[in-house]
Amino acid sequence: AQKITQTQPGMFVQEKEAVTLDCTYDTSDQSYGLFWYKQPSSGEMIFLIYQGSYDEQNATEGRYSLNFQKARKSANLVISASQLGDSAMYFCAMRGAGGFKTIFGAGTRLFVKA
Amino acid sequence: DTEVTQTPKHLVMGMTNKKSLKCEQHMGHRAMYWYKQKAKKPPELMFVYSYEKLSINESVPSRFSPECPNSSLLNLHLHALQPEDSALYLCASSQGRGGRSEQYFGPGTRLTVT
Repeated sequence: AQKITQTQPGMFVQEKEAVTLDCTYDTSDQSYGLFWYKQPSSGEMIFLIYQGSYDEQNATEGRYSLNFQKARKSANLVISASQLGDSAMYFCAMRGAGGFKTIFGAGTRLFVKA
Repeated sequence: DTEVTQTPKHLVMGMTNKKSLKCEQHMGHRAMYWYKQKAKKPPELMFVYSYEKLSINESVPSRFSPECPNSSLLNLHLHALQPEDSALYLCASSQGRGGRSEQYFGPGTRLTVT
C-alpha cells in the first residue's frame, strides 16, 4: 500500500530565510510521481512542483525545489527566501503509474514571521 | 490557463434540501475529480471521471450523486445530507492518469449542512 508521511505538523520560518518541509513515502511501485501542493486559508490547492521516480535531477520551480532521495524514499520541499504569502498548509502527495488516485500526507502548516 | 472554477463558493443547506455543486475546466483535461476535505485534514477522494465516465467511486453514500455532462463540466448533486457532510468540496482535473499527471484544483465550495 502507498503511504505518505509528513512528520512536521507546524513549522515557523523567518521571512527571507529558507525552510525545508519533510516528506517520506512508501510504495512498491517502480514508477510513480511525487507532488507538493500549497493550500492557503482560502482553500484552493495550488500545485507547486513535481518529481518523477525516474528523474535523475531534483525538480525546481522558482523558489521551490524538491530534494529527492530515492533510496531513502524522501521528497522534501525546500522553499528559498520565504515570503509572508508562503504561510499556508503544504501537502506532499504521490500517484502511482497508471492510476487516478493521489495519496496525500497529513500536511505541514507553515508560518512565515515578519 | 490552468484554471478550474467552482460554484458556489459557499453553500448552506438544510438536511431536506437538494442542491448542486458545479465545476468547470477548459484545459482539455480528460479526468475530473471530486474531493471532500474536513478542517486540518488532507483531501479525501470521492469520485473520478475519465472521458466522461465514472471510473472511481470511493464508496460514497448515495446522497452524493456525481454527473459529468461533458468533458469540461462536473456536477455534484446533493440530497438529504447530514451535518457531518459539512466540509470543503474540491474539484480537480488532470490530463489523464499516472504519475506525471498533476492535478489542478478549483477554489472549492464550503458546504454547511444545518
